[in-house]
Amino acid sequence: EVQLLESGGGWVQPGGSLRLSCAASGFTFSDYGMSWVRQGPGKGLEWVSGFKDSGGTTNNLDSVKGRFTISRDTSKNTLYLQMNSLRAEDTAVYYCAKHRGGVYAFGYWGQGTLVTVSS
Amino acid sequence: QTVVTQEPSFSVSPGGTVTLTCGLSSGSVSTNHYPSWYHQTPGQAPRTLIYNTDTRSSGVPDRFSGSILGNKAALTITGAQADDECDYYCVLYMGSGIWVFGGGTKLTVL
Repeated sequence: EVQLLESGGGWVQPGGSLRLSCAASGFTFSDYGMSWVRQGPGKGLEWVSGFKDSGGTTNNLDSVKGRFTISRDTSKNTLYLQMNSLRAEDTAVYYCAKHRGGVYAFGYWGQGTLVTVSS
Repeated sequence: QTVVTQEPSFSVSPGGTVTLTCGLSSGSVSTNHYPSWYHQTPGQAPRTLIYNTDTRSSGVPDRFSGSILGNKAALTITGAQADDECDYYCVLYMGSGIWVFGGGTKLTVL
């Protein structure tokens, strides 16, 4: 059974940093692309950052480029999102999502971790 | 700036049929965008309904179907049920490892 467990969310002041983690199990982590998707309070889903596939190619939403960095540790089956220079508009629930194999879509989702950026 | 458009809200009667659409602010949606659909109830994580335009995710009943209608992707629900009432999101793959979600459609069944 695929499981994705996010952690690392919390409250941070504007300009601060947080690192989110997503512990994956139930599948061969190194074989799949992974993404972070967020949802602001009362808002829709927004793709933030991802590994396109099992290779190392990554990309980010324009508004987080230069501030957020996605990485993964295949020895720990864990996906990370390092978030620096946080802004109030980054406040959201951040979901980790496993891509489906062979197609550009999300197959499984974690339960999310809440990030609150406020003074 | 690519904008993916969805109807903000839609209403359907129990047992009825509804088609939600997913378009682009500029241009047409095609299978090359690998349109996929997700639904979400308040406080819960999204769940996958349809991927690769028209493939149902495991366990999704066949009253949910995906297609391309004209220049948009579409999600059709036939025989709507009360527990279909939730938010529906489409997402399009824009290439280079970038996805863009639509704003979501809040479906009411009444």
